[in-house]
Amino acid sequence: DSGVTQTPKHLITATGQRVTLRCSPRSGDLSVYWYQQSLDQGLQFLIQYYNGEERAKGNILERFSAQQFPDLHSELNLSSLELGDSALYFCASSPYDLAIRGSYNEQFFGPGTRLTVL
Amino acid sequence: DAKTTQPNSMESNEEEPVHLPCNHSTISGTDYIHWYRQLPSQGPEYVIHGLTSNVNNRMASLAIAEDRKSSTLILHRATLRDAAVYYCILRDKNSGGSNYKLTFGKGTLLTVNP
Repeated sequence: DSGVTQTPKHLITATGQRVTLRCSPRSGDLSVYWYQQSLDQGLQFLIQYYNGEERAKGNILERFSAQQFPDLHSELNLSSLELGDSALYFCASSPYDLAIRGSYNEQFFGPGTRLTVL
Repeated sequence: DAKTTQPNSMESNEEEPVHLPCNHSTISGTDYIHWYRQLPSQGPEYVIHGLTSNVNNRMASLAIAEDRKSSTLILHRATLRDAAVYYCILRDKNSGGSNYKLTFGKGTLLTVNP
């Protein structure tokens, strides 16, 4: 158990719909990262928040957005869903910002949310 | 993106050592080499990391070449529970910004035979 929790575990929805995935980081971790894992694309970095502020963006579509709340939990919002959005979505947390040079910043991953878009 | 090259798959027998190679010829002088693994139906988990010197922990050892352009993850005695995808990762400068990300490639699928 990494200490990172994600809800829900499974989500089945239809094209065009909007869903929200939730992540609670490990106690004390200030950074939260979102990743998407599909069969053909592997594990893709989407976005990172550090202490409530967006710090890095990866391959995140404009239909997707995220935020980190004052209690440090994070939500990933996916809208206008398409069949191709079906994937595993992982949240990870770490103590620091990855940009801190010279220090290591291990990421702890949650169990993931499996999204199926029909 | 900072590039690492790993074999797509490797096979090992239980109780034998496993050497998982990784090439990272574009590594910068200050970047750590990270290894994560992903067991079936789970999120990735940290294995080990290093900068210049060889590193050991309870899970594995990391051997880093003197020029830092390659590294090898060593599992001293593979068990069935070590069957997973192993990712060798460099911290990667995020395009358009000053921050960094970890870029996971396809990794190496390790099969452990009983």
